[in-house]
Amino acid sequence: QSVLTQPPSVSAAPGQKVTISCSGSSSNIGNNYVSWYQQLPGTAPKLLIYENNKRPSGIPDRFSGSKSGTSATLGITGLQTGDEADYYCGTWDSSLSAVPVFGGGTKLTVL
Amino acid sequence: QVQLQESGPGLVKPSQTLSLTCTVSGGSISSGSYYWSWIRQPAGKGLEWIGRIYTSGSTNYNPSLKSRVTISVDTSKNQFSLKLSSVTAADTAVYYCARVFMVGGAFDIWGQGTMVTVSS
Repeated sequence: QSVLTQPPSVSAAPGQKVTISCSGSSSNIGNNYVSWYQQLPGTAPKLLIYENNKRPSGIPDRFSGSKSGTSATLGITGLQTGDEADYYCGTWDSSLSAVPVFGGGTKLTVL
Repeated sequence: QVQLQESGPGLVKPSQTLSLTCTVSGGSISSGSYYWSWIRQPAGKGLEWIGRIYTSGSTNYNPSLKSRVTISVDTSKNQFSLKLSSVTAADTAVYYCARVFMVGGAFDIWGQGTMVTVSS
């Protein structure tokens, strides 16, 4: 059971937009930055979004992040088949000795 | 460009100690803006943070693993290491090392991961 709650799966057609939610509490998302990671099959996670809504160099602006209260959202526009992957949210949890925590992951299928 | 590479045995017997090393290339592990972490992922499951180390040697561990984990750093070799004692089949996973922003806590660079199986 993950500290952060994500939907197990989402799907959308190529070219469409999808959002992935990440729900937490005041001890984690509510008072800390959220980051998002993309894990393509058989590869290591890759940082997509940090500090709630910032993109590292090289990440296209099709990927966006937002946070409101104790929830965060990853948005992906102009879906491509290459976006099929598992997506994880992450933050810190102050109630657990300030340790990093991750969501359970969301499998994105591009139909 | 900074890269991380995990190394170590892929097979460990139950009750023994799992030992992995992460080698940092393309930059100094002693950069003051980051710390260094281990994360693991059992097959088909999510990510579990194991622990972190600062180049000062200060460490923090996941409370659920704290009694069995030791993370150390060797700045002269640009490496940091993980030891997990008394392993069981539940410790079978892909183990990743990663660099973490001190501000914000995002894991910005990951190693490719190494599969460790606990089996006799």
